[in-house]
Amino acid sequence: QVQLQESGPGLVKPSETLSLTCTVSGGSISSYYWSWIRQPPGKGLEWIGHIYNSGSTNYNPSLKSRVTISLDTSKKRFSVKLTSVTAADTAVYYCARWRRDGGYFDYWGQGTLVTVSS
Amino acid sequence: QSVLTQPPSVSGAPGQRVTISCTGSSSSIGAGYDVHWYQQLPGTAPKLLIFANSNRPSGVPDRFSGFRSGTSASLAITGLQAEDEADYYCQSYDTGLSGYVFGTGTKVTVL
Repeated sequence: QVQLQESGPGLVKPSETLSLTCTVSGGSISSYYWSWIRQPPGKGLEWIGHIYNSGSTNYNPSLKSRVTISLDTSKKRFSVKLTSVTAADTAVYYCARWRRDGGYFDYWGQGTLVTVSS
Repeated sequence: QSVLTQPPSVSGAPGQRVTISCTGSSSSIGAGYDVHWYQQLPGTAPKLLIFANSNRPSGVPDRFSGFRSGTSASLAITGLQAEDEADYYCQSYDTGLSGYVFGTGTKVTVL
């Protein structure tokens, strides 16, 4: 069974960079796409972007200028960096496996809350 | 940024049937992109419930069913149970936004 676990700081100051890592266990990381999705408190879900083993990435156009997703297959983990954060970036951040053959997210991490505040 | 519209809430008594609509446009569902559904129990991560419009992953009860037509889709829950009380989100792709989009979400309450 594939399992994903997010890790990273729970508090980030405004204008700084948010960095999170997702560790994958129970399955191959090389043959799939890996995604980040976020959910502001009490609100809906927003796709941030995803990455494939080849290094190919696809980002939400609304975040593209601030986001970078990277992949470390040797350590079976992938990461997201979001620069110049504001309070609007406060959210629970989920990592997930994305199925290119269907366009859906089949495995999700438990999520981690990141608060942007001074 | 949601371009898929869902009713904020639906409710039903145990055993009843409820449906949740997901309305898109000609650049999303109407363009032929598949619709997927997720269940989010309180305080937990979303879980894939229906993929490719009407397919259930292993372990999902057949009380849950999905349907897509035109620019919209729907999720039906038959034989509603207390454990079905959760938020439900649809998801698809939008060519206008060049990205994957989620619905606004629907809270299901079991009376």
